[in-house]
This record gives sequence, C-alpha cells and structure tokens, in this order.
Amino acid sequence: QQQVKQSPQSLIVQKGGISIINCAYENTAFDYFPWYQQFPGKGPALLIAIRPDVSEKKEGRFTISFNKSAKQFSLHIMDSQPGDSATYFCAASAQTGANNLFFGTGTRLTVIP
Amino acid sequence: DVKVTQSSRYLVKRTGEKVFLECVQDMDHENMFWYRQDPGLGLRLIYFSYDVKMKEKGDIPEGYSVSREKKERFSLILESASTNQTSMYLCASSHGLADNNEQFFGPGTRLTVL
Repeated sequence: QQQVKQSPQSLIVQKGGISIINCAYENTAFDYFPWYQQFPGKGPALLIAIRPDVSEKKEGRFTISFNKSAKQFSLHIMDSQPGDSATYFCAASAQTGANNLFFGTGTRLTVIP
Repeated sequence: DVKVTQSSRYLVKRTGEKVFLECVQDMDHENMFWYRQDPGLGLRLIYFSYDVKMKEKGDIPEGYSVSREKKERFSLILESASTNQTSMYLCASSHGLADNNEQFFGPGTRLTVL
C-alpha cells in the first residue's frame, strides 16, 4: 500500500516552462513533506521541504504548494532548465512513531532545450 | 562534507549466492536505512536501524537481513540471492534528533542476480 501517491510518472517540459509534480497522502499524522532530487548515477538529495503550518514554500525556482484539507502537495519548478532533468520524489513523515520517510514512486522530468 | 559511501557501484552475483552490501557514513548519524529502487515503484524501505545492534523491518524485509555492529556501518545481506532481487540498492543515514528527518543517500549499488 503506497502511503504517498505521486504523479505523473514522467514529464517532458520545454526549457523555460513550468514543471508541476503532484503528491497525495492519507495519513493525517504526516507533518513533514520533503522533495528529493536524483540525478542519474547519484543517490537522491533533499531539494526542498515544507511543514503543514504553511501553504507554500519557495526556494529559488522551486516552490512547494501544500493543501492540508485536500492532503495534497506539489512541486513547481519555474523557468525549467535542462539541468533540472532528474527524477523527483516526494515523501512524507510523522514526528511521532517510527519517524521514517515514506516516498512516492518518483517522476522522471526531462527538460528539452 | 556529508558523506555516505557504498562498497560497490555495480555487482553481479549468481542465484543462491550470499551477498553483502556495505554502507559507511562519516556524519556520526544514529539512523541508517536500506532501500531498493525499482522503476515505477520508487524507494521501498527494506530495513532500518536507530542504533548500534538495533534493527527494524521496513516494508519489504523478506529475503534480506542486516547487521549494524558499529555506528558508522550498516550492512545489507542477501542470504540466498534470487533474480527478483536484481535492483538498485540505496543506503541512507540521518541524525537521530534532527528536526527535519533529512536523509543523506549514498550513490547506490546496482545489483544484478543471474
């Protein structure tokens, strides 16, 4: 049972466009929502994260939008660049209990020059 | 700089062999994790450890075991490798008391079982 559902599985965007990746969860105990970025041949690395006390967090061209009532969050990449081509994973965890990260299935983003 | 290293980048083994995957972190992290990554399935947690000599099952522990004799080292063991264990294996570590649960990943080991 996938605790965090992610879509789309793959995404192709023109350079300069906006990339949007969506995630949804069911467990209301989740209170930390990170996004990881993975380049080919590398392990995932934390890109940006949000807690449910805010609806949006922005770091440079990357923005997380969070909708607590809908139990959804999304990653927006503005002015997408070929260097952003990577696999993106959303994740969620709860401060209580095991504190593990539950990952989505990943989105392979390709930005075409 | 934070570093998680894995003993091999690529590994080819035969069905039935015992396989050891080693992971070392130099950040004095309490928590260590083993995941496998398969296309369309994302990262699935195999085992994790919160302290030396402690281990907990993740979502897919069947066919695997782990060992953590020292804080910096976490080993994944395939007792009798099977073809369905062909996958990318990722090790990660995190600070036990960190507020953000950030996990630091190694580069992965691509295991092929023939």
